[in-house]
Amino acid sequence: EAGVAQSPRYKIIEKRQSVAFWCNPISGHATLYWYQQILGQGPKLLIQFQNNGVVDDSQLPKDRFSAERLKGVDSTLKIQPAKLEDSAVYLCASSLVTGNEQFFGPGTRLTVL
Amino acid sequence: DAKTTQPPSMDCAEGRAANLPCNHSTISGNEYVYWYRQIHSQGPQYIIHGLKNNETNEMASLIITEDRKSSTLILPHATLRDTAVYYCIVRPWISGNTPLVFGKGTRLSVIA
Repeated sequence: EAGVAQSPRYKIIEKRQSVAFWCNPISGHATLYWYQQILGQGPKLLIQFQNNGVVDDSQLPKDRFSAERLKGVDSTLKIQPAKLEDSAVYLCASSLVTGNEQFFGPGTRLTVL
Repeated sequence: DAKTTQPPSMDCAEGRAANLPCNHSTISGNEYVYWYRQIHSQGPQYIIHGLKNNETNEMASLIITEDRKSSTLILPHATLRDTAVYYCIVRPWISGNTPLVFGKGTRLSVIA
């Protein structure tokens, strides 16, 4: 079965610019997560969707980050404007509603200069 | 914050068993122990999980102490491809759909 797809794989921008990441979860997975992984640390949850509704966005910096999951399938994560400290790998994961296992995509590595 | 403590790094000789410890002394009765690993430049990958009984699958074995305050992940015959960061995660089972709270994990280096 196809895994979680993410694009782009790499992105370099200057601070104050905008950037968007795209995620296509595994077919049939109702739950979708975005994690941020700063170098040397474990991933940290930014937002969790179930179908097209937000379950948890308590750790999303809402002044600059936004995410949507229209139609309950694909999702986009946007940063506007970017700061230097946003340099990280952004990971998308999906799971079945009752699943034990989260499946992760390869991530998007963002560098903010 | 992560509810687990792991050594920052370990080495293992290729072909030998790799035993990765994890301390989770504040684990609650409804919380499971999960293990994920992250190979360089990839997303984390699920390995195994358990509640209180020992578990085994094609990738690894999970040994949980009787008081559930610690556990050990065992890779029986480590290969170079097992070099990765291994995360021990305590996760409550509510709907089965709770996010993962990662710590810094253990960086395992398998040496030829």
